[in-house]
Amino acid sequence: AQSVTQLGSHVSVSEGALVLLRCNYSSSVPPYLFWYVQYPNQGLQLLLKYTSAATLVKGINGFEAEFKKSETSFHLTKPSAHMSDAAEYFCAVSRKNSGYSTLTFGKGTMLLVSP
Amino acid sequence: GAGVSQSPSNKVTEKGKDVELRCDPISGHTALYWYRQSLGQGLEFLIYFQGNSAPDKSGLPSDRFSAERTGGSVSTLTIQRTQQEDSAVYLCASSLVASGGRDTQYFGPGTRLTVL
Repeated sequence: AQSVTQLGSHVSVSEGALVLLRCNYSSSVPPYLFWYVQYPNQGLQLLLKYTSAATLVKGINGFEAEFKKSETSFHLTKPSAHMSDAAEYFCAVSRKNSGYSTLTFGKGTMLLVSP
Repeated sequence: GAGVSQSPSNKVTEKGKDVELRCDPISGHTALYWYRQSLGQGLEFLIYFQGNSAPDKSGLPSDRFSAERTGGSVSTLTIQRTQQEDSAVYLCASSLVASGGRDTQYFGPGTRLTVL
């Protein structure tokens, strides 16, 4: 069975600082991994996904994530935080079934950005 | 193009009443998913549709929950005899195909259900 652990329910950074949101996964098979962002009162928007191609994945809004099999991690980073990055971020692993998949999400990390 | 839409955006109901939540997926998307987002449980998978059939209902929490999809498009999630623990945001997602894990699921804005 697949599972995801996000370390830190809240992360606070200053505008312009590095953003690092941690995600570790557990999977018995090579995983597909996703990062989604949720702004207040909105649905989830895909930031990026890893599907076994390049281990460094670039997404929207300057975010990127690196798949590290040895560490079972898929941490999300952005070199310089912007006020508009304040939102909740979810890491997810795809649970594979016969011909389809469903997502198993972490508990989420709220990113707070201060001026 | 238009994204996934859900209605109503907010629903307040009394304990014991039935509610219906609607999802309009992106046109042409064959796969449709329902998830529930609650404070205590986070985001949980409820049910998956491929076309009009639901091969995976494993996430439905009780037999009070049911869902259908008609014409390979609109889906309705029905909760009968609502309980306070059903209060949550219900999210719908769709994807073009169900390609064994690679497909991107596009989410709607959700329906916030409050059971008094």
